[in-house]
Amino acid sequence: AQSVTQPDIHITVSEGASLELRCNYSYGATPYLFWYVQSPGQGLQLLLKYFSGDTLVQGIKGFEAEFKRSQSSFNLRKPSVHWSDAAEYFCAVALYGGATNKLIFGTGTLLAVQP
Amino acid sequence: SAVISQKPSRDICQRGTSLTIQCQVDSQVTMMFWYRQQPGQSLTLIATANQGSEATYESGFVIDKFPISRPNLTFSTLTVSNMSPEDSSIYLCSVEGLAGATYNEQFFGPGTRLTVL
Repeated sequence: AQSVTQPDIHITVSEGASLELRCNYSYGATPYLFWYVQSPGQGLQLLLKYFSGDTLVQGIKGFEAEFKRSQSSFNLRKPSVHWSDAAEYFCAVALYGGATNKLIFGTGTLLAVQP
Repeated sequence: SAVISQKPSRDICQRGTSLTIQCQVDSQVTMMFWYRQQPGQSLTLIATANQGSEATYESGFVIDKFPISRPNLTFSTLTVSNMSPEDSSIYLCSVEGLAGATYNEQFFGPGTRLTVL
């Protein structure tokens, strides 16, 4: 069955440090992959997406992600974290076709940023 | 991108009652979805709201508990019926098919935080 795994439930980094959030997926075909961010009390905001082509995708707020088919991974990175990046991050894979286009979400990674 | 609004933003309800949540988009969209996010958990798709026909429900969700309407291309409602404390969650609507957006790209509303006592 299709699934998304985010192995890190909670990560703490220092402001200015680099960040990598892990995401692994299980999907039979070429996936459509997404990263969303949810700030406290807010809805989800799309950071970036991968559909095809260049495996390194750039997103908003200085984030990037790399699709590695051999590792079934789509890890999110940022070279220098800001305090405002503290939030929960969700990786998702899209299942499409038929009557429903469904997003399957990972369990999320809660990012804390310390001064 | 479009503006997606939800009403109410939060509510506290008594068990046994029902609450209807509204989702409004400021432009026409092809697809609208309803998700549930239980406390400390990820998002789970409840159903796809189909314009002019019955919603398509995911496994574990039924129309009697979560009736959905979608009268046009910009508006949908989700009702949580006969509520129990286990229904306490954030309910989010999302849309797909915005003009200029990529296929299969979903945008989310701000969510409705529901607490059932």
